[in-house]
Amino acid sequence: KAGVTQTPRYLIKTRGQQVTLSCSPISGHRSVSWYQQTPGQGLQFLFEYFSETQRNKGNFPGRFSGRQFSNSRSEMNVSTLELGDSALYLCASSVGGGTGIEKLFFGSGTQLSVL
Amino acid sequence: GQNIDQPTEMTATEGAIVQINCTYQTSGFNGLFWYQQHAGEAPTFLSYNVLDGLEEKGRFSSFLSRSKGYSYLLLKELQMKDSASYLCAVRDLGASGTYKYIFGTGTRLKVLA
Repeated sequence: KAGVTQTPRYLIKTRGQQVTLSCSPISGHRSVSWYQQTPGQGLQFLFEYFSETQRNKGNFPGRFSGRQFSNSRSEMNVSTLELGDSALYLCASSVGGGTGIEKLFFGSGTQLSVL
Repeated sequence: GQNIDQPTEMTATEGAIVQINCTYQTSGFNGLFWYQQHAGEAPTFLSYNVLDGLEEKGRFSSFLSRSKGYSYLLLKELQMKDSASYLCAVRDLGASGTYKYIFGTGTRLKVLA
């Protein structure tokens, strides 16, 4: 079974630009969540999608948005990039049933650098 | 509020035992997880605890006390390849009735020869 795939692996953008990151979950997983990882803050939860609906959201500004498609693939968009958005963006998938204990399976991440 | 605390960095010697502590405060606790993350790589699942007590899995064990909001990850017979960050995470049931994972900032473990 293929793992969680994130593309691209690296991105360099300048302030004010926008960026779209992609995540393909493990086959059969319906939940996709996104995290921002920085050295000082650790993993910060951005949002979670399940069956094309945003099920949960973290405390990030509206410049951060996402969506999920019918095949469970997800995209995350950041508009009007700021220097502080430089981070590793991790996507994680899980089965998504909700009530039982669910492990998260992470992709290798997209390293975003904003200049 | 919701908060997870773990030490920033620890150092231990190859072959030794190390215990990484994690304390948490959440309102809708639904399980505690430990993940390992090598530099430049994705976090990978190590263990989880839902009920109080010790869960053993080979060289790794994890303990949970829900009444104390406390967990630890115990690594025995340390190997050089255990040098990594160890992330403590709590699965929390929020007011909206949905679950989310809250991560600590991670403990960077260095294993010395």
